Amino acid sequence: NAGVMQNPRHLVRRRGQEARLRCSPMKGHSHVYWYRQLPEEGLKFMVYLQKENIIDESGMPKERFSAEFPKEGPSILRIQQVVRGDSAAYFCASSPARDMSSYEQYFGPGTRLTVT
Amino acid sequence: SQQGEEDPQALSIQEGENATMNCSYKTSINNLQWYRQNSGRGLVHLILIRSNEREKHSGRLRVTLDTSKKSSSLLITASRAADTASYFCATDARRGGADGLTFGKGTHLIIQP
Repeated sequence: NAGVMQNPRHLVRRRGQEARLRCSPMKGHSHVYWYRQLPEEGLKFMVYLQKENIIDESGMPKERFSAEFPKEGPSILRIQQVVRGDSAAYFCASSPARDMSSYEQYFGPGTRLTVT
Repeated sequence: SQQGEEDPQALSIQEGENATMNCSYKTSINNLQWYRQNSGRGLVHLILIRSNEREKHSGRLRVTLDTSKKSSSLLITASRAADTASYFCATDARRGGADGLTFGKGTHLIIQP
């Protein structure tokens, strides 16, 4: 059973370009979470999705950022018109159907975005 | 305000010694989890403790939770060089069951051989 897959592992974009980050959850997991980690910081929650639904996007910047988790295929985090401040590591995590009392999130290796 | 603040920010000890890291949080939680992150890598889940539990063990790891003080500690016994990493606590808050985890900034642990 493969773990959470993210690609690309490293992405370099010039200011103003678009960045697309992909995440394939673990087999059997229907919940996907995106986090951003700035250097020397902890992870910050961005968005929580289930198939074809955004459940909680309270951590997403209001502009330029969007996320989707289609019925088929990976979850996509899209950043339009990137700026230098978007440079960070973006992690995806997945979990099985949610149990209110306890659950684990399984993290992917991350995509390191560098905006030049 | 920061949920999940780890203390200390950095810790350097000799191999074989025990390492203790602390975490404080601000809101009510469903559970608290500890993760490890090696430099430039993803996070590895270590242990989860529910809000109604006080202590949990897993191998060389021991986690305690004091909900009255809103704090947790992670103890690594008989440390090894391979334990060198950053350790994060993460809380799952009580808010409709649709949240992501809230992470602290982490404790950077260095084990000197």
